[in-house]
Amino acid sequence: AQSVAQPEDQVNVAEGNPLTVKCTYSVSGNPYLFWYVQYPNRGLQFLLKYITGDNLVKGSYGFEAEFNKSQTSFHLKKPSALVSDSALYFCAVREHEAAGNKLTFGGGTRVLVKP
Amino acid sequence: DAGVIQSPRHEVTEMGQEVTLRCKPISGHNSLFWYRQTMMRGLELLIYFNNNVPIDDSGMPEDRFSAKMPNASFSTLKIQPSEPRDSAVYFCASSLGGRTNSPLHFGNGTRLTVT
Repeated sequence: AQSVAQPEDQVNVAEGNPLTVKCTYSVSGNPYLFWYVQYPNRGLQFLLKYITGDNLVKGSYGFEAEFNKSQTSFHLKKPSALVSDSALYFCAVREHEAAGNKLTFGGGTRVLVKP
Repeated sequence: DAGVIQSPRHEVTEMGQEVTLRCKPISGHNSLFWYRQTMMRGLELLIYFNNNVPIDDSGMPEDRFSAKMPNASFSTLKIQPSEPRDSAVYFCASSLGGRTNSPLHFGNGTRLTVT
């Protein structure tokens, strides 16, 4: 069975400082990994994904994530956070060989960027 | 692209009543997912369809819940009878199915309150 863990319920960071949101995963095969963001009263929006290739993936709004197979991690990063980045962030995983597009989501991490 | 459209945006009903949530996926997407989001349990996959066929309904909490997809452009999630513990935000999402790496596109959800 596939699973995702986001160890931090909330991350607080000052505007302009680097932001990191942690994610670790567990799958039996090769993973497909995703990050989504949710703003209040909205559905989840896709940020970026790792399928294969370069371990550093760049996505929307200046976000990037680094795939680390040995640590089974896929942490989300942004070099300089904005107040508008305050939102709920979800990591998700799908097994490479799994049929369909069934994703398993982590519990979410709330990011608060203070001016 | 109108995105995934869900209706209604809010639903307030009394315990015991039937509730029907509706979803129109993005045209051309052949995978459709129903998720439920609560503070206690986070984001849970209830059921998903590929090409209008239910693939995995293991997340459907009990027989009171049912979902249908009569055609490629419409799906319903029905709760009968509803209970207060069903109060949550219900999201529909769609994607290109099969073994693609297409991300999920979420609607803005239906906030259900059962009193």
